[in-house]
Amino acid sequence: AQSVTQPDIHITVSEGASLELRCNYSYGATPYLFWYVQSPGQGLQLLLKYFSGDTLVQGIKGFEAEFKRSQSSFNLRKPSVHWSDAAEYFCAVGAGGTSYGKLTFGQGTILTVHP
Amino acid sequence: DTEVTQTPKHLVMGMTNKKSLKCEQHMGHRAMYWYKQKAKKPPELMFVYSYEKLSINESVPSRFSPECPNSSLLNLHLHALQPEDSALYLCASSQDRSGIYEQYFGPGTRLTVT
Repeated sequence: AQSVTQPDIHITVSEGASLELRCNYSYGATPYLFWYVQSPGQGLQLLLKYFSGDTLVQGIKGFEAEFKRSQSSFNLRKPSVHWSDAAEYFCAVGAGGTSYGKLTFGQGTILTVHP
Repeated sequence: DTEVTQTPKHLVMGMTNKKSLKCEQHMGHRAMYWYKQKAKKPPELMFVYSYEKLSINESVPSRFSPECPNSSLLNLHLHALQPEDSALYLCASSQDRSGIYEQYFGPGTRLTVT
């Protein structure tokens, strides 16, 4: 069964600083990987996804993520954080086989941005 | 338009009530999902519908009853719920169930069971 680990429960950065959120996954085959963002009491918005090809993926709102198969990681980065980026971020892996359609989420990382 | 709509936004119900949550998408997606999200936790999959047929039931108690009347609509019927069922219920859709397609989420229904 697939699993996702987000080691950092809470990260605080200053506005304008760079950001890296960590994600490690466990999956037997080539993973389908996603990063979602959720503002309090809201639904999830897709930031970016990786299926195959170029291991550096660009997303919305200036985010990017790099897939590293050797490290089973899919870390999310942003060069300069804005106050509006404060939210909770979820990494997820999509399953294949009989569990097609099942997304397994990490526990989430809460991002606080200081002015 | 990549919008999934959910109604109502908030719902308060007693343990003996029957209520329904509604989800709608007009993106032509053929897979639809129900998730439950407790505070400070990630979403947990409840049900997956593919081409209007139930494909995955994650051992959800029978007091939750999903229904997919057509390819655009997904309902979740609620009956005899418990206070621990209070949560944010999220609906999502994707082009199909293959896993390669991203899921688009609605804003959720905040359910409180009293």
